[in-house]
Amino acid sequence: QSALTQPASVSGSPGQSITISCTGTSRDVGGHNHVSWYQQHPGKVPKLMIYDVTNRPSGVSNRFSGSKSGNTASLTISGLQAEDEADYYCNSYISSSPNYVFGSGTKVTVL
Amino acid sequence: EVQLVQPGVEVKKPGESLKISCKVSGYSLTSYWIGWVRQMPGKGLEWMGIIHFADSDTRYSPSFRGQGTISADKSIFTAHLQWNSLKASDTALYYCAGAVAGTSWFDAWGQGTLVTVSS
Repeated sequence: QSALTQPASVSGSPGQSITISCTGTSRDVGGHNHVSWYQQHPGKVPKLMIYDVTNRPSGVSNRFSGSKSGNTASLTISGLQAEDEADYYCNSYISSSPNYVFGSGTKVTVL
Repeated sequence: EVQLVQPGVEVKKPGESLKISCKVSGYSLTSYWIGWVRQMPGKGLEWMGIIHFADSDTRYSPSFRGQGTISADKSIFTAHLQWNSLKASDTALYYCAGAVAGTSWFDAWGQGTLVTVSS
């Protein structure tokens, strides 16, 4: 099972919106709604930001939103802030295994 | 609130064995999954496998079969990841992460165990 495909880096200015894509196949991203997103600051533990494609855990800012179309899931960060600078990973359940697979990771830079 | 506690650092020589732990508190373990995630220096997150505490149902990611053994001991609320013969390429940060059975997201994470294998 190969990692899901994410852009290596995405950047934006404070206040702007950015979108990170996560492309898989019909066996993972496209096969169900079990896609989640994790934020990892340097030297820190990953933090759950979105689950089941669109849901935010309690305490996560509503500037973070998720969506999916076909085999591609997306994470959008609106009103970009300096604290959003981190690595972001998508994660999908694999119905055929059953198991999970992470995306390759995206470094978000706030200009 | 679920808490996952891992030892911070382990230093071993090539060929040595190692068993690292992930102690769980704050949730009924009869319906809980623990996953092990590897992060090599400067690299991304990779699933090694997951285990269900209730019945020790274990599922390994294809890339990691034979590269470590996942187990769980319900009596001490602890999951383990072990190697019989470490290699330098096993040097990495290993996280455990928890998910309630029936959900697909891992909302509890340990602090990670840094395993260094060097002669």
